[in-house]
Amino acid sequence: DAKTTQPTSMDCAEGRAANLPCNHSTISGNEYVYWYRQIHSQGPQYIIHGLKNNETNEMASLIITEDRKSSTLILPHATLRDTAVYYCIVAYSGAGSYQLTFGKGTKLSVIP
Amino acid sequence: DVKVTQSSRYLVKRTGEKVFLECVQDMDHENMFWYRQDPGLGLRLIYFSYDVKMKEKGDIPEGYSVSREKKERFSLILESASTNQTSMYLCASRSGASGSVKQFFGPGTRLTVL
Repeated sequence: DAKTTQPTSMDCAEGRAANLPCNHSTISGNEYVYWYRQIHSQGPQYIIHGLKNNETNEMASLIITEDRKSSTLILPHATLRDTAVYYCIVAYSGAGSYQLTFGKGTKLSVIP
Repeated sequence: DVKVTQSSRYLVKRTGEKVFLECVQDMDHENMFWYRQDPGLGLRLIYFSYDVKMKEKGDIPEGYSVSREKKERFSLILESASTNQTSMYLCASRSGASGSVKQFFGPGTRLTVL
C-alpha cells in the first residue's frame, strides 16, 4: 500500500541541479519523510530526512511543503555518480517503529 | 560511519541446501533487518530483530529463519533453499534510540538457487 508517489524516471544534465518530487498526501502528523538512494547492485544509502522544516546536509536538500503533502529532494550539482534509483519513504520514527517501506522510486539518470 | 558487512556478495546454491547469510554491523545498533529485493517488487522485509535473541516476522518470513546470538551479528537462514528464493538479500541496522530514523544497509548478497 504505497504512501508515496514518485515519477518513474528522470534525466538531469551533469552539473545541474536535480529536483526529485514526491507526493505523500496521506502523511500523518508524526510521520517523517526519508530519502534513500540505491546505486546499481549496491545496498540503499540514506540521504536525508525531515518532519516539516526544510533540511540540508552535505549530500542534498529536502524541501517539504507547508501542508506536508509533498516534498522535493534537491541534488545541487548532479554528477554521473548520482545516477541511481531514489526512494521517498514516509514512516513513523517513534519507539516500536521499525519498518521502512520502499516503493519503486525514481530512476535518475545524470547525462554528461 | 556505520559499516554493515555481509558475508558474500554472490552465492550459488542448489535446491534443498541449507543456506546461511551473515550480517555484521560495527556501531552497536540494537535493531537489525533482513530484506529481499526483486525486480518490480521493491524491498520486502523478511525478519527483524530489536535486541539480542529477539526477533519479529516481517512481511514475508515463510521459508526463512533468523538468529541473533550477539548484538553485532544477524543471520538469515534458508532451511531448504528453493528456486523462488533466488534474490538480492539486504541486511540493515539501526540504533534503537527513540527518534532514530536512519537504517544503514550492507552491500547485499545476490543468491542464486539452482
